[in-house]
Amino acid sequence: DTAVSQTPKYLVTQMGNDKSIKCEQNLGHDTMYWYKQDSKKFLKIMFSYNNKELIINETVPNRFSPKSPDKAHLNLHINSLELGDSAVYFCASSLGQGAFSGANVLTFGAGSRLTVL
Amino acid sequence: GQNIDQPTEMTATEGAIVQINCTYQTSGFNGLFWYQQHAGEAPTFLSYNVLDGLEEKGRFSSFLSRSKGYSYLLLNELQMKDSASYLCAVQRGSTLGRLYFGRGTQLTVWP
Repeated sequence: DTAVSQTPKYLVTQMGNDKSIKCEQNLGHDTMYWYKQDSKKFLKIMFSYNNKELIINETVPNRFSPKSPDKAHLNLHINSLELGDSAVYFCASSLGQGAFSGANVLTFGAGSRLTVL
Repeated sequence: GQNIDQPTEMTATEGAIVQINCTYQTSGFNGLFWYQQHAGEAPTFLSYNVLDGLEEKGRFSSFLSRSKGYSYLLLNELQMKDSASYLCAVQRGSTLGRLYFGRGTQLTVWP
């Protein structure tokens, strides 16, 4: 039973298209994240939601719009795709915003590899 | 901003010990994490340090010196399955989960 699952695993699309990636976690965590891993393997935070409320927006172009319908789901919609958006997008979750008790350990999904042609 | 540096690649043989270093410069430091990532897979949590000193977890240990902006991950009794990328990540500020990752150290373990 996958803890953090994201779909699709692979996505190939043309420049200018709009696409979505979905993420669901069954860990009962309060906080969810989107991270982007580029071709140089840098993993960069994009967004975070705590119990459906946006708490981190890390200077991401507004073509990227996250949506959290409930605390178990965090979707990522990308408009007008560009070549530079090609990357692996990882969803993650953690217990919540409690301090130092392990609440900040991230559990990552398997990643969604987006290729923009 | 933050600079997180770790070696790009390391190699070692089965049964050996390897130390992967990580240096960082950041404001609002609030903990340092090590994650393991096998090729094509999700990063998985290995260790967390927020206070100076050594944290031991089985074959893996992690050390932190906040005054020096330095951490290392020590892997004992290396196994082939330890071949992976090891990611050092600094947590900044009071919002937990805001992690800034280094580019990872690709470790290859030879028989």
